[in-house]
Amino acid sequence: DGGITQSPKYLFRKEGQNVTLSCEQNLNHDAMYWYRQDPGQGLRLIYYSQIVNDFQKGDIAEGYSVSREKKESFPLTVTSAQKNPTAFYLCASSILDSYGYTFGSGTRLTVV
Amino acid sequence: ELKVEQNPLFLSMQEGKNYTIYCNYSTTSDRLYWYRQDPGKSLESLFVLLSNGAVKQEGRLMASLDTKARLSTLHITAAVHDLSATYFCAVDIENDMRFGAGTRLTVKP
Repeated sequence: DGGITQSPKYLFRKEGQNVTLSCEQNLNHDAMYWYRQDPGQGLRLIYYSQIVNDFQKGDIAEGYSVSREKKESFPLTVTSAQKNPTAFYLCASSILDSYGYTFGSGTRLTVV
Repeated sequence: ELKVEQNPLFLSMQEGKNYTIYCNYSTTSDRLYWYRQDPGKSLESLFVLLSNGAVKQEGRLMASLDTKARLSTLHITAAVHDLSATYFCAVDIENDMRFGAGTRLTVKP
């Protein structure tokens, strides 16, 4: 079955550590996205990529980095520069100029 | 900059009642989406509205789009407890999707 897989489901980060969240899709979608969701709030765009080896900053890119070496994969690294990383992170993918996104199941990141 | 505003942000309803959630957006678009999110879960697509006057219905939920007014509505008919969730509208401009803050709906017996 086609879908989009995020891992891990839960992740704990110590102060000063970098952590990487995985997002893989087998839908052959061109575009992939990372969103952050804070409790009781909507989704804010971190980064997106419409083609391999290219990506664009969203509204809250500071403290995050991404790569798009393969069409299927769009990992997100939360760096130590991100001062308040505790949140729910959602990855999504879409066909360009098509309708709607497919979302992964999310990763809940907590700083300990 | 595209802004998407939902209201109300919190909605407590009794079972059997009707209510409407509103979604206003600031820039012309003909792609409007409604999603449902259960606590701790991902987003589930409910409706895709692609043209002015579009109306879609699924069970007790009906969504409509007025592109001239830049307004979409999600109408709930005879609410039941299973509809308790957070509902998001989202607007797509050139493959850039922006979300409203969400409406947290609680349906009480």
